[in-house]
Amino acid sequence: GAGVSQTPSNKVTEKGKYVELRCDPISGHTALYWYRQSLGQGPEFLIYFQGTGAADDSGLPNDRFFAVRPEGSVSTLKIQRTERGDSAVYLCASSLGTLRNNEQFFGPGTRLTVL
Amino acid sequence: GENVEQHPSTLSVQEGDSAVIKCTYSDSASNYFPWYKQELGKGPQLIIDIRSNVGEKKDQRIAVTLNKTAKHFSLHITETQPEDSAVYFCAITPLDSSYKLIFGSGTRLLVRP
Repeated sequence: GAGVSQTPSNKVTEKGKYVELRCDPISGHTALYWYRQSLGQGPEFLIYFQGTGAADDSGLPNDRFFAVRPEGSVSTLKIQRTERGDSAVYLCASSLGTLRNNEQFFGPGTRLTVL
Repeated sequence: GENVEQHPSTLSVQEGDSAVIKCTYSDSASNYFPWYKQELGKGPQLIIDIRSNVGEKKDQRIAVTLNKTAKHFSLHITETQPEDSAVYFCAITPLDSSYKLIFGSGTRLLVRP
């Protein structure tokens, strides 16, 4: 079956612009996660959705970052007034979410470059 | 907060040799320890995991060992092949937020043919 998909695969934008990154989780997965991976580092947790609600958004770096999942499936990560330091690969993952420690399946990521 | 240290950052081995990557962590309440493999341009993929009620788990050429007292766990790859070349990440999940993966900084493994 299809895995987690993310669009776009690459996004180049200018400082100060607004961007949206999309994630399509595996069908039937109720839990969805966003991580950010800087060059040469491991992924860092941003936000976790269980269904439509953000159960934990403690990893979002500041209020320029926001994520939604209105119908409990597709999620969009939104970044306002982008800064050069936002450049990274943004990874989305999903899991069945019904038990603790379910395997998280990752998408290929969106590489964001802020000029 | 929780912290995971991973060593070495790079590892080069001859095809057929073994590779060992080690992680230490600070949160003694962690009880789930997955290992992910990330190839260039792809997302991380789970290759093996272990829970705190066991000390070792094997899956063909891959094994993970866990020492909860010393708070470290290791990935062992035997009979390495060129396709094992990738970046490997260990991770933990905090007990109070078991949905959250805390990753190490990664090990770039190169298997020389």
